[in-house]
Amino acid sequence: DTAVSQTPKYLVTQMGNDKSIKCEQNLGHDTMYWYKQDSKKFLKIMFSYNNKELIINETVPNRFSPKSPDKAHLNLHINSLELGDSAVYFCASSRTSGGATDTQYFGPGTRLTVL
Amino acid sequence: KQEVTQIPAALSVPEGENLVLNCSFTDSAIYNLQWFRQDPGKGLTSLLLIQSSQREQTSGRLNASLDKSSGRSTLYIAASQPGDSATYLCAVRHSDYKLSFGAGTTVTVRA
Repeated sequence: DTAVSQTPKYLVTQMGNDKSIKCEQNLGHDTMYWYKQDSKKFLKIMFSYNNKELIINETVPNRFSPKSPDKAHLNLHINSLELGDSAVYFCASSRTSGGATDTQYFGPGTRLTVL
Repeated sequence: KQEVTQIPAALSVPEGENLVLNCSFTDSAIYNLQWFRQDPGKGLTSLLLIQSSQREQTSGRLNASLDKSSGRSTLYIAASQPGDSATYLCAVRHSDYKLSFGAGTTVTVRA
């Protein structure tokens, strides 16, 4: 059973399009995250939701909009895609947002390529 | 702003040799520090988590130490195996829930 799953695994699209990436966790966790890993391999936090409420919103263009319909799902919608959006996007979850021993469990990633 | 640096960026060793991976961070006000493993084309797997009050954590052949005052952590992997080949990422957690990652050390263990 996959703990954190993402769809699609690969996404190739044209500049200017709108696309969504879906994430689901079956761990019963309260907190979910979106990270972006760029070509230099740095992972950077984008958003975090705790029980469907936004708790982290980094300096991300407002073309990126997360949505959490319930605490097991956190989707990422991207409008007007640009070349610089090409990256691997990882979803993650943790039991809570504040526990000192709470590790984060990561999904397999979605490789987005904008042409 | 927290900066996390991992040295070396890449490491190649023969099977059986011990591995030493270094991580340094600029802001010592951390909540915990985690080591992750990333295999090509896959997500991250948590290896060890050290709370800010702890000095080290061990799991099997893996041992991670934390010196918060000097802003350093070291991951030791004993008796390396080809299956240990991967990228190892260090991440520090702040009280505002955020994880700051290093760029990783890519390890190749030669059979």
